[in-house]
Amino acid sequence: GAVVSQHPSWVICKSGTSVKIECRSLDFQATTMFWYRQFPKQSLMLMATSNEGSKATYEQGVEKDKFLINHASLTLSTLTVTSAHPEDSSFYICSARDLLAKNIQYFGAGTRLSVL
Amino acid sequence: KQEVTQIPAALSVPEGENLVLNCSFTDSAIYNLQWFRQDPGKGLTSLLLIQSSQREQTSGRLNASLDKSSGRSTLYIAASQPGDSATYLCAVLGTDKLIFGTGTRLQVFP
Repeated sequence: GAVVSQHPSWVICKSGTSVKIECRSLDFQATTMFWYRQFPKQSLMLMATSNEGSKATYEQGVEKDKFLINHASLTLSTLTVTSAHPEDSSFYICSARDLLAKNIQYFGAGTRLSVL
Repeated sequence: KQEVTQIPAALSVPEGENLVLNCSFTDSAIYNLQWFRQDPGKGLTSLLLIQSSQREQTSGRLNASLDKSSGRSTLYIAASQPGDSATYLCAVLGTDKLIFGTGTRLQVFP
């Protein structure tokens, strides 16, 4: 089956630093990728939709300058949390939509971000 | 705006019981509905996907049904086992977004 690789799986950083999370579709092309955020014991909330070669579309309430998304190729999207603060600590999950199966999304294993 | 709700929010049962988890959504214009399993601190495992034209899907001890017109789906787990303990999420795909439900935390004890 299709695989989405997300890296790193866990990152700890100091307040004020920036953290980049990578999301790769390993065996398929994805024109569209999605970034979700999950707080403890809560469901996944969509943060933004990332389209290859164009600007990401952010959900209401998500700061685009805080969460920078780049989708420069059909297999890679990155999420950079800029000037991270403790309230940004969360579980971030990416998802990729198969170009050839547009109703199917495959999920990465998630990245746990802890900001000290 | 699509809203997806799951009932119950939490469930604790002895092993061997047959279970029904419920998912309801407000906008019936969906392409598909998917059930996921999530273990603590882990990512998502896809369990079943039902296309909008289908009424149910089965995989092993799992059976998911979809009634699009009424905005409901159920996940049936037969003969539950302690290894089934996890959070179960349903998600509906609308025009361009996959919207997740609130989740059901299931604990099956020996």
